[in-house]
Amino acid sequence: EVQLVESGGGLVQPGRSLRLACAASGFTFDEYAMHWVRQVPGKGLEWVSGISWSSGSKGYADSVKGRFTISRDNAKKSLYLQMNSLRAEDTALYYCAKDNQYRTLGSYGNNGMDVWGPGATVTVSS
Amino acid sequence: IQLTQSPSSLSASVGDRVTITCRASQGISSYLAWYQQNPGKAPKLLIYGASTLQSGVPPRFSGSGSGTDFTLTINSLQPEDFATYYCQQVNSYPPTFGGGTKVEIK
Repeated sequence: EVQLVESGGGLVQPGRSLRLACAASGFTFDEYAMHWVRQVPGKGLEWVSGISWSSGSKGYADSVKGRFTISRDNAKKSLYLQMNSLRAEDTALYYCAKDNQYRTLGSYGNNGMDVWGPGATVTVSS
Repeated sequence: IQLTQSPSSLSASVGDRVTITCRASQGISSYLAWYQQNPGKAPKLLIYGASTLQSGVPPRFSGSGSGTDFTLTINSLQPEDFATYYCQQVNSYPPTFGGGTKVEIK
């Protein structure tokens, strides 16, 4: 079964750091770009970051650029999001998602995202 | 690139035909995807490439359009189709989502 499972969410004070992880199974992890997408409860979806299959290309939304870092470990079939200098507006449900295009050159493909995890909740509050 | 979905919500009955529109602020060729999200669940990819049905998605869902104007059509609405639908452009960096359209039961 193709599956993504996020972990590492929680309550954190403003200005502190948190690291999310996403464990993949059921597909050849090292052949697909991966993404983080977040959603404030009751609101829409926001693409946060993406990384190519080789880690050679990474992209970030302007709202997190310079604060968040995406990485992956293909041997461990895992995706990560290091979140520093967290702000109240980073509070959201964070989804890990698989790109729907085989071996894209960039940090995202042209066919959307076909597998999603259940999400990890991040709450930034004092 | 900004994506504007309309309407933001609609009420429909089982068996109805529903059309949702997504307009891009600039041309994105056919690089548009549609997602369905049920309450408390992760989004599900329905359509990519503006009109290609994702594997396993019922054929009552269809997509069309290119350039700046796109539509998602649901023929014969089923109870499990009452959800929120999002479009996403994957033509230009960064990938962006529309604001969503909530389909409610009339």
